[in-house]
Amino acid sequence: GQNIDQPTEMTATEGAIVQINCTYQTSGFNGLFWYQQHAGEAPTFLSYNVLDGLEEKGRFSSFLSRSKGYSYLLLKELQMKDSASYLCAVMDSNYQLIWGAGTKLIIKP
Amino acid sequence: DVKVTQSSRYLVKRTGEKVFLECVQDMDHENMFWYRQDPGLGLRLIYFSYDVKMKEKGDIPEGYSVSREKKERFSLILESASTNQTSMYLCASRPSTDGFNQPQHFGDGTRLSIL
Repeated sequence: GQNIDQPTEMTATEGAIVQINCTYQTSGFNGLFWYQQHAGEAPTFLSYNVLDGLEEKGRFSSFLSRSKGYSYLLLKELQMKDSASYLCAVMDSNYQLIWGAGTKLIIKP
Repeated sequence: DVKVTQSSRYLVKRTGEKVFLECVQDMDHENMFWYRQDPGLGLRLIYFSYDVKMKEKGDIPEGYSVSREKKERFSLILESASTNQTSMYLCASRPSTDGFNQPQHFGDGTRLSIL
């Protein structure tokens, strides 16, 4: 079957760095997406990786290793507004998104 | 900016009722999706549509149907609501599948309670 694994919850301190991991087993691979979802709001797109390596966008970076079925989202200089759930999703061979359950990130002052 | 609008943020209905959830997008996207989101589970795809008049079953279509009569509007129908359909429902849209890196854009969701 297809499976996406992420930690359920993580806690970090304002100003620090946090890494949210995502491992996947899917039938085919056409890219991996990260989304951010604040409580009660719509998921919003953060990043897309299809080639191995690191993609950097400001304070957020996303890494992919296709051979290991592994990705992470790196958040630097954490701010209180980064408190949210972070969703990992893989596009499979049918071009459908398979979603992880999400990681709830709690930022403490 | 892409705008995906869902008709209701909160909805309370009774068991056995026929329930309509509406979704409208303003960016002329071909693809539209309906998901449900439950605690501890990833988004689960109910139905999707590649274009007007087209529909495809997702992973959990039982008890649901959809309608796509116009490109901008995608409706989810609960034929006879049951308590296990209490959930957050999310609608999304994206341009056609020619670009794999095109993200889905989501509405704010409808929190549906079936009593």
